[in-house]
Amino acid sequence: DARVTQTPRDKVTEMGQEVTMRCQPILGHNTVFWYRQTMMQGLELLAYFRNRAPLDDSGMPKDRFSAEMPDATLATLKIQPSEPRDSAVYFCASGLAGARDEQFFGPGTRLTVL
Amino acid sequence: AQSVTQPDIHITVSEGASLELRCNYSYGATPYLFWYVQSPGQGLQLLLKYFSGDTLVQGIKGFEAEFKRSQSSFNLRKPSVHWSDAAEYFCAVGVHEGRNQFYFGTGTSLTVIP
Repeated sequence: DARVTQTPRDKVTEMGQEVTMRCQPILGHNTVFWYRQTMMQGLELLAYFRNRAPLDDSGMPKDRFSAEMPDATLATLKIQPSEPRDSAVYFCASGLAGARDEQFFGPGTRLTVL
Repeated sequence: AQSVTQPDIHITVSEGASLELRCNYSYGATPYLFWYVQSPGQGLQLLLKYFSGDTLVQGIKGFEAEFKRSQSSFNLRKPSVHWSDAAEYFCAVGVHEGRNQFYFGTGTSLTVIP
């Protein structure tokens, strides 16, 4: 049963610390998405990649957030330095390249920045 | 700008009652339309999708949705709700304008009372 995996599932850190979240997309999927979910803003698209290249990162605060795909089996989202307002659940999703294709979501990383 | 509107933030229904969750989109052409469900502490899971053909689409868990071009709507329905249907429901669209873009609604939280 192919699934998107995310690590860690929960992260508590202090303001100013670096946070790295990891995602393993489903094998064969060439598109990876990063979302942030909060009560106030709902589900926000931060960035997405196709074939490991960033296609859209307009939703991501550039000064502190960065997203990469070092290889086809790993996507990372990094926050440096972290701030309390970054507290949220971060979801990774993977899929195929088309606008008509389903996205498969991971279980999320719950980030709390104190 | 493209948008997805879910007018109902929260809906409460009795178990066994029928359900309709509303979704409207704003886009010049017919986008690809999706409904996802998110159970507490979980990632999103696809319920159904529409991109052409029969305007009434069937999904998993007994859900269906009807695309109405004249109303720019894609409402989700279920004839008889089960307690396990309590969750957050998201409508989403995928569009291709030069590159693929994806938009999620703000979600509707469903409570089912016995």
